[in-house]
Formats: sequence, structure tokens, C-alpha cells
Amino acid sequence: SQTIHQWPATLVQPVGSPLSLECTVEGTSNPNLYWYRQAAGRGLQLLFYSVGIGQISSEVPQNLSASRPQDRQFILSSKKLLLSDSGFYLCAWNLLQGNNSPLHFGNGTRLTVT
Amino acid sequence: QKEVEQNSGPLSVPEGAIASLNCTYSDRGSQSFFWYRQYSGKSPELIMSIYSNGDKEDGRFTAQLNKASQYVSLLIRDSQPSDSATYLCAVNSGGSNYKLTFGKGTLLTVNP
Repeated sequence: SQTIHQWPATLVQPVGSPLSLECTVEGTSNPNLYWYRQAAGRGLQLLFYSVGIGQISSEVPQNLSASRPQDRQFILSSKKLLLSDSGFYLCAWNLLQGNNSPLHFGNGTRLTVT
Repeated sequence: QKEVEQNSGPLSVPEGAIASLNCTYSDRGSQSFFWYRQYSGKSPELIMSIYSNGDKEDGRFTAQLNKASQYVSLLIRDSQPSDSATYLCAVNSGGSNYKLTFGKGTLLTVNP
């Protein structure tokens, strides 16, 4: 069965510090991978998605970036965090199966920028 | 701008009652519809998917889709306190395989 691992679970970082969140998927090949952010009182916002190694699409211009160095690894980064980057970051995956493939989420990383 | 709208709630129902959660979407080309449950502090968990008009039942859950009215709903029968959570509606917008648009969610509270 497929599993998705995301770490760390919680993170407190000062403004201006760098960020690296990692996500890996097991039990499947060639997944689509996604980074979402959920800010307090707001909905899930798609940040980045990837359909293959090295292929990254950005949905929202911001100071975050994403990379996919391996088929089942997805990394979210920032060089300098802003207060507005605080939120609940969720990695998710699905398979390329037409329009009927639901997203499966990792356990999330709660980021607090102080 | 493709949108998915849900009543934010909170929706409060007594234990054993039917909870009805509603969602509307703006993109007529949408083809896939999903309901997720999110407990406080946790990640969303898929509970139902529906792709064609009509009803789809899974245990105590029934999803209903009406593409003409651009409306999807989730019914929870015999509601339990453990059903208390935020329910997120998600829509595959624009026929794309890889972009789900989420509503902001409806907070459901089931009172013992």
C-alpha cells in the first residue's frame, strides 16, 4: 500500500531564516506531488505541483520554492521566511488516472514564523 | 477564478441525527468531486468521491451530485460525536487531472 511521509511535524522558525520541508511517497511510482498551505481560518491553497522529476509548477508567486530531485521526493524551501509564511503545510500525492484520482495527504507540518 | 463555496458553519446536530453538508462550484467543466474530513490539527482524510449525477452511498455517508445545479452534498446518517470535524469539499476544476480546488470547509459538531 502507498504511504506518504512528511517531516518535521512542527517547526518554529524566526523571520528571515531558511526553510526546508521534505515529503516522500512509498509504494507507488510516478506520482503527482503537491504542496498545499492552510492558513488559520482559510482554505487549502495549492502552492506547487509536480508531474515528474524536475518538473515544478507554481500556483502562487511568493518567496517559496519547490524541488523534486527524485521520483517520490518533494521538497519545499525558502531562503528567508516571512511572518505570513506561518501555516499548516501539507504534502499530497495522486496518480495520473484521468480526472478521477483523489489526493492523499501527509500528516502535515505546522510552521510558526516568529 | 474557479470557486468552491461551502457554508462555514458551525453546523450543530444531535447525536443520531442526519447531518447535511452542502457545496457549490463555479466551473461547469468540473468532473470529479471529493469530500474530505479534517479533525482539528490533523490533515484531511478522503471519505467520499463522486463522479456522476445522483447518489453514492458508503456506510453512513451519502454523496449527492447535481451537475446541472453545480451542487454536491454530503449526508451523514446516525451522526456520532466522532463525526465532529471540518468537512472539505474538493472539485477537480477545468478538467485537469492535478488541480483540486477546495472549499473552506464546514465545521460540524455532533452533540451527545
